[in-house]
Amino acid sequence: KNQVEQSPQSLIILEGKNCTLQCNYTVSPFSNLRWYKQDTGRGPVSLTIMTFSENTKSNGRYTATLDADTKQSSLHITASQLSDSASYICVVTSGGYNKLIFGAGTRLAVHP
Amino acid sequence: DGGITQSPKYLFRKEGQNVTLSCEQNLNHDAMYWYRQDPGQGLRLIYYSQIVNDFQKGDIAEGYSVSREKKESFPLTVTSAQKNPTAFYLCASIMTKGAPGYGYTFGSGTRLTVV
Repeated sequence: KNQVEQSPQSLIILEGKNCTLQCNYTVSPFSNLRWYKQDTGRGPVSLTIMTFSENTKSNGRYTATLDADTKQSSLHITASQLSDSASYICVVTSGGYNKLIFGAGTRLAVHP
Repeated sequence: DGGITQSPKYLFRKEGQNVTLSCEQNLNHDAMYWYRQDPGQGLRLIYYSQIVNDFQKGDIAEGYSVSREKKESFPLTVTSAQKNPTAFYLCASIMTKGAPGYGYTFGSGTRLTVV
């Protein structure tokens, strides 16, 4: 069964600190993996996307890694800001446009 | 600016009532999707459409209906047959040319509540 599991479910950090969110997947075939940020009551916004051959991708303070052998990805946030408070969703595309498998997300709260 | 517009942002439904959620895009995207989001769960696919006048059921289509009369529009009707409709509904679209998964754009969502 195709699955995407994220950990932790929720995380609280202090402003300025770094954090790492995890995503493990069992999806076949694999096309790409994307991290989204979703603010409360809003739609997800794409942060990074990686294909099988890419093992790291950065977008400002966000850096995603992908290990296709172990089927693991991580999203590292550097020097967190209050505006980073959101849910972060890992999404794996399997084969075609219509086959997206979503993780349940990690809810991040950044406190002053 | 190009994007996806969902309306209304909040919607209240009475028991036994059908309601329609609007999704409009001006991105010239071919495919459009409706997802449902519940707390603690990943997004689940309700319906999708790759071309005008054609649509396919997703994983949880029961109690929902859609139409795709125009490329820009993909409204979702939540019928009275949907017994647990309270959720956050997200519309998405993608240009189907190019590698799968690139260019997905989401709307800002509609929160539906049964009263």
